[in-house]
Amino acid sequence: GAVVSQHPSWVICKSGTSVKIECRSLDFQATTMFWYRQFPKQSLMLMATSNEGSKATYEQGVEKDKFLINHASLTLSTLTVTSAHPEDSSFYICSAKGEREEDTQYFGPGTRLTVL
Amino acid sequence: GDSVTQMEGPVTLSEEAFLTINCTYTATGYPSLFWYVQYPGEGLQLLLKATKADDKGSNKGFEATYRKETTSFHLEKGSVQVSDSAVYFCALGGATNKLIFGTGTLLAVQP
Repeated sequence: GAVVSQHPSWVICKSGTSVKIECRSLDFQATTMFWYRQFPKQSLMLMATSNEGSKATYEQGVEKDKFLINHASLTLSTLTVTSAHPEDSSFYICSAKGEREEDTQYFGPGTRLTVL
Repeated sequence: GDSVTQMEGPVTLSEEAFLTINCTYTATGYPSLFWYVQYPGEGLQLLLKATKADDKGSNKGFEATYRKETTSFHLEKGSVQVSDSAVYFCALGGATNKLIFGTGTLLAVQP
């Protein structure tokens, strides 16, 4: 199956700093990428959908200025958590999908963010 | 709106037992249905999917049949192994390309 990678796999940062997480589709072109957040023992919450070359579409309640998403190429999307605070600590997961309607979403392994 | 309901866990089974994890959905239109598995500390992996009514998805001994009449997509496996211990998510995919997930069911298989 298709492979999606995320980097870093875990990161610890101080409150007030910004953190960038990368999501790459390694063997296919991802016209659409999705960013999710997962709290302990809970399901995935969709944060935003990004299409290559256009602005991301954020879900209701997700702060655009805090969670900056860039999808500059067909294989790379980045999520930047700006001015991170302890409540932003979570597991962030990206997924990628090809251009066909029937294409499946393939998920990255996730990034564990801990804000001190 | 569209939604997915799956049985709460944890589900604890002995090795070689039969597994069923229930999943029902509410949707407009004709969604695709998925089961994803998440092993400890990892991201989600697609386990199986079905794109239309009466389709059966299968993989690694797991099966699920898309039942439109009961709006269900129950996951089954005839004989579970310790290595199947994970969290299983049922999901619905609609025309917007978004996936809507259930809350997940933790499966613990004991030797």
